[in-house]
Amino acid sequence: KAGVTQTPRYLIKTRGQQVTLSCSPISGHRSVSWYQQTPGQGLQFLFEYFSETQRNKGNFPGRFSGRQFSNSRSEMNVSTLELGDSALYLCASSTSTVSPLHFGNGTRLTVT
Amino acid sequence: AQKITQTQPGMFVQEKEAVTLDCTYDTSDQSYGLFWYKQPSSGEMIFLIYQGSYDEQNATEGRYSLNFQKARKSANLVISASQLGDSAMYFCAMRSNNAGNMLTFGGGTRLMVKP
Repeated sequence: KAGVTQTPRYLIKTRGQQVTLSCSPISGHRSVSWYQQTPGQGLQFLFEYFSETQRNKGNFPGRFSGRQFSNSRSEMNVSTLELGDSALYLCASSTSTVSPLHFGNGTRLTVT
Repeated sequence: AQKITQTQPGMFVQEKEAVTLDCTYDTSDQSYGLFWYKQPSSGEMIFLIYQGSYDEQNATEGRYSLNFQKARKSANLVISASQLGDSAMYFCAMRSNNAGNMLTFGGGTRLMVKP
Protein backbone atom coordinates (compact mmCIF):
# COMPACT_ATOMS: atom_id res chain seq x y z
CA LYS A 1 0.00 0.00 0.00
CA ALA A 2 1.45 3.38 -0.99
CA GLY A 3 2.11 5.85 1.79
CA VAL A 4 1.20 9.51 2.04
CA THR A 5 2.65 11.38 -0.93
CA GLN A 6 3.50 15.06 -0.79
CA THR A 7 4.57 17.14 -3.76
CA PRO A 8 6.78 18.92 -4.38
CA ARG A 9 9.56 17.95 -1.97
CA TYR A 10 11.25 21.34 -2.17
CA LEU A 11 10.07 24.80 -3.11
CA ILE A 12 11.78 28.16 -3.23
CA LYS A 13 9.56 31.24 -3.46
CA THR A 14 9.97 34.95 -2.95
CA ARG A 15 8.09 37.15 -0.52
CA GLY A 16 4.65 38.14 -1.70
CA GLN A 17 4.17 35.12 -3.94
CA GLN A 18 1.70 32.36 -3.27
CA VAL A 19 2.28 28.62 -3.16
CA THR A 20 0.20 25.44 -3.38
CA LEU A 21 1.28 22.19 -1.79
CA SER A 22 -0.30 18.84 -2.55
CA CYS A 23 -0.97 15.75 -0.45
CA SER A 24 -2.28 12.37 -1.55
CA PRO A 25 -3.35 10.28 1.44
CA ILE A 26 -3.09 6.55 1.89
CA SER A 27 -5.83 4.82 -0.06
CA GLY A 28 -9.00 4.63 2.03
CA HIS A 29 -7.97 7.41 4.41
CA ARG A 30 -10.53 10.20 4.47
CA SER A 31 -8.89 12.46 7.04
CA VAL A 32 -6.03 14.68 5.95
CA SER A 33 -4.32 17.10 8.30
CA TRP A 34 -1.51 19.59 7.77
CA TYR A 35 1.30 20.65 10.09
CA GLN A 36 4.00 23.30 9.95
CA GLN A 37 7.42 22.54 11.43
CA THR A 38 9.93 25.29 12.17
CA PRO A 39 13.00 25.32 14.43
CA GLY A 40 11.50 28.06 16.57
CA GLN A 41 7.88 26.97 16.93
CA GLY A 42 8.20 23.23 16.49
CA LEU A 43 5.31 21.27 15.04
CA GLN A 44 2.05 23.17 14.81
CA PHE A 45 -1.32 22.04 13.54
CA LEU A 46 -2.68 23.98 10.56
CA PHE A 47 -6.00 22.31 9.67
CA GLU A 48 -7.75 19.02 9.09
CA TYR A 49 -10.11 17.95 6.35
CA PHE A 50 -12.50 15.04 6.43
CA SER A 51 -14.78 14.16 3.54
CA GLU A 52 -14.07 17.50 1.84
CA THR A 53 -15.00 19.53 4.94
CA GLN A 54 -12.63 21.41 7.19
CA ARG A 55 -13.05 19.81 10.59
CA ASN A 56 -10.44 21.65 12.63
CA LYS A 57 -8.30 24.72 12.20
CA GLY A 58 -5.19 25.81 14.04
CA ASN A 59 -4.13 29.28 15.00
CA PHE A 60 -2.77 30.52 11.68
CA PRO A 61 -3.67 33.62 9.68
CA GLY A 62 -6.14 33.51 6.85
CA ARG A 63 -3.28 33.46 4.32
CA PHE A 64 -3.14 29.74 5.02
CA SER A 65 -5.98 27.83 3.45
CA GLY A 66 -6.70 24.36 2.23
CA ARG A 67 -9.17 22.12 0.56
CA GLN A 68 -9.90 18.47 0.03
CA PHE A 69 -11.18 16.83 -3.10
CA SER A 70 -13.65 13.98 -3.50
CA ASN A 71 -10.78 11.50 -3.86
CA SER A 72 -9.44 12.69 -0.46
CA ARG A 73 -6.42 14.40 -1.99
CA SER A 74 -5.74 17.71 -0.30
CA GLU A 75 -4.05 20.95 -1.20
CA MET A 76 -2.73 23.68 1.01
CA ASN A 77 -2.31 27.23 -0.20
CA VAL A 78 -0.30 30.05 1.33
CA SER A 79 -0.81 33.50 -0.15
CA THR A 80 1.36 36.60 0.21
CA LEU A 81 4.32 34.62 1.45
CA GLU A 82 6.44 35.96 4.30
CA LEU A 83 9.97 34.99 5.30
CA GLY A 84 8.54 33.36 8.43
CA ASP A 85 6.57 30.91 6.31
CA SER A 86 9.79 29.07 5.54
CA ALA A 87 9.22 25.66 7.07
CA LEU A 88 8.72 21.97 6.54
CA TYR A 89 5.04 21.35 5.80
CA LEU A 90 3.85 17.89 6.71
CA CYS A 91 0.65 16.20 5.70
CA ALA A 92 -0.85 13.25 7.57
CA SER A 93 -3.72 10.92 6.79
CA SER A 94 -5.84 8.66 8.91
CA THR A 95 -8.93 6.51 8.66
CA SER A 96 -10.56 7.85 11.79
CA THR A 97 -10.02 9.78 15.02
CA VAL A 98 -9.04 6.63 16.88
CA SER A 99 -6.40 5.32 14.48
CA PRO A 100 -2.82 6.51 13.99
CA LEU A 101 -1.88 9.36 11.70
CA HIS A 102 0.61 8.53 8.98
CA PHE A 103 2.77 11.33 7.64
CA GLY A 104 4.26 12.07 4.27
CA ASN A 105 7.87 13.11 3.65
CA GLY A 106 6.95 16.77 3.76
CA THR A 107 7.46 19.77 1.52
CA ARG A 108 10.31 22.06 2.48
CA LEU A 109 9.38 25.63 1.60
CA THR A 110 11.98 28.36 1.54
CA VAL A 111 10.85 31.96 1.19
CA THR A 112 13.51 34.46 0.13
CA ALA B 1 -5.79 23.23 26.18
CA GLN B 2 -3.44 20.32 25.77
CA LYS B 3 0.28 20.40 26.41
CA ILE B 4 3.08 17.91 25.80
CA THR B 5 6.43 18.26 27.56
CA GLN B 6 9.59 16.47 26.56
CA THR B 7 12.28 17.49 29.04
CA GLN B 8 15.28 15.85 27.32
CA PRO B 9 16.47 17.95 24.36
CA GLY B 10 19.20 15.44 23.58
CA MET B 11 20.32 12.01 24.74
CA PHE B 12 23.13 9.58 24.06
CA VAL B 13 22.78 5.82 24.30
CA GLN B 14 25.25 3.05 23.65
CA GLU B 15 24.39 0.69 20.82
CA LYS B 16 22.49 -2.41 22.03
CA GLU B 17 21.42 -0.74 25.27
CA ALA B 18 17.87 0.30 26.18
CA VAL B 19 16.84 3.94 26.44
CA THR B 20 13.81 5.75 27.83
CA LEU B 21 12.54 8.99 26.32
CA ASP B 22 10.33 11.01 28.66
CA CYS B 23 6.97 12.53 27.83
CA THR B 24 4.46 14.15 30.16
CA TYR B 25 1.15 15.59 29.09
CA ASP B 26 -1.56 17.81 30.38
CA THR B 27 -5.20 17.60 29.39
CA SER B 28 -8.65 17.85 30.89
CA ASP B 29 -10.05 15.35 28.40
CA GLN B 30 -10.95 11.85 29.53
CA SER B 31 -10.60 10.20 26.15
CA TYR B 32 -7.37 10.79 24.25
CA GLY B 33 -4.55 9.09 22.41
CA LEU B 34 -0.80 9.34 22.77
CA PHE B 35 1.66 8.84 19.94
CA TRP B 36 5.37 8.61 19.38
CA TYR B 37 6.95 9.52 16.08
CA LYS B 38 10.53 9.28 14.82
CA GLN B 39 11.92 11.92 12.50
CA PRO B 40 15.27 11.15 10.83
CA SER B 41 17.31 13.92 9.28
CA SER B 42 15.48 13.32 5.99
CA GLY B 43 12.39 14.92 7.55
CA GLU B 44 9.79 12.18 7.26
CA MET B 45 7.70 11.49 10.37
CA ILE B 46 7.55 7.78 11.08
CA PHE B 47 4.77 6.47 13.32
CA LEU B 48 6.14 4.24 16.07
CA ILE B 49 3.49 3.48 18.66
CA TYR B 50 0.05 4.50 19.94
CA GLN B 51 -1.61 4.30 23.35
CA GLY B 52 -5.27 5.02 24.02
CA SER B 53 -6.22 6.57 27.34
CA TYR B 54 -8.51 3.66 28.14
CA ASP B 55 -6.03 0.96 27.18
CA GLU B 56 -5.08 -0.94 30.30
CA GLN B 57 -2.05 -2.64 28.79
CA ASN B 58 1.04 -0.72 27.76
CA ALA B 59 1.43 -0.64 23.99
CA THR B 60 4.32 -2.51 22.39
CA GLU B 61 5.56 -2.58 18.79
CA GLY B 62 8.68 -4.64 18.24
CA ARG B 63 11.57 -2.90 20.05
CA TYR B 64 9.31 -0.02 21.09
CA SER B 65 7.14 0.03 24.17
CA LEU B 66 5.17 2.80 25.78
CA ASN B 67 5.27 3.09 29.55
CA PHE B 68 1.86 4.65 30.20
CA GLN B 69 1.22 5.99 33.70
CA LYS B 70 -2.15 7.69 33.52
CA ALA B 71 -2.23 9.05 37.07
CA ARG B 72 1.14 10.70 36.55
CA LYS B 73 0.19 11.78 33.02
CA SER B 74 3.30 10.30 31.53
CA ALA B 75 3.84 8.29 28.36
CA ASN B 76 7.51 7.41 28.12
CA LEU B 77 8.93 5.61 25.09
CA VAL B 78 11.29 2.73 25.75
CA ILE B 79 13.54 1.55 22.93
CA SER B 80 15.22 -1.76 23.61
CA ALA B 81 18.48 -2.89 22.03
CA SER B 82 19.30 0.46 20.41
CA GLN B 83 20.62 0.43 16.86
CA LEU B 84 22.64 3.06 14.99
CA GLY B 85 19.61 3.65 12.78
CA ASP B 86 17.63 4.78 15.83
CA SER B 87 19.55 8.08 15.84
CA ALA B 88 16.87 10.67 15.10
CA MET B 89 14.45 13.18 16.63
CA TYR B 90 11.62 11.62 18.60
CA PHE B 91 8.32 13.39 19.14
CA CYS B 92 5.58 12.63 21.61
CA ALA B 93 2.12 13.78 20.54
CA MET B 94 -1.40 13.79 21.85
CA ARG B 95 -4.86 13.80 20.31
CA SER B 96 -8.15 14.39 22.07
CA ASN B 97 -10.69 11.89 20.78
CA ASN B 98 -13.33 14.59 20.45
CA ALA B 99 -11.19 16.98 18.41
CA GLY B 100 -10.71 15.17 15.12
CA ASN B 101 -7.15 14.47 14.09
CA MET B 102 -5.49 17.50 15.60
CA LEU B 103 -2.20 16.47 17.19
CA THR B 104 -0.36 18.48 19.83
CA PHE B 105 3.37 17.79 19.74
CA GLY B 106 6.13 18.07 22.27
CA GLY B 107 9.39 19.80 21.49
CA GLY B 108 11.17 16.55 20.70
CA THR B 109 14.22 14.66 21.93
CA ARG B 110 17.27 14.11 19.76
CA LEU B 111 18.59 10.61 20.34
CA MET B 112 22.13 9.76 19.33
CA VAL B 113 23.23 6.13 19.36
CA LYS B 114 26.95 5.57 19.92
CA PRO B 115 28.71 2.58 18.33
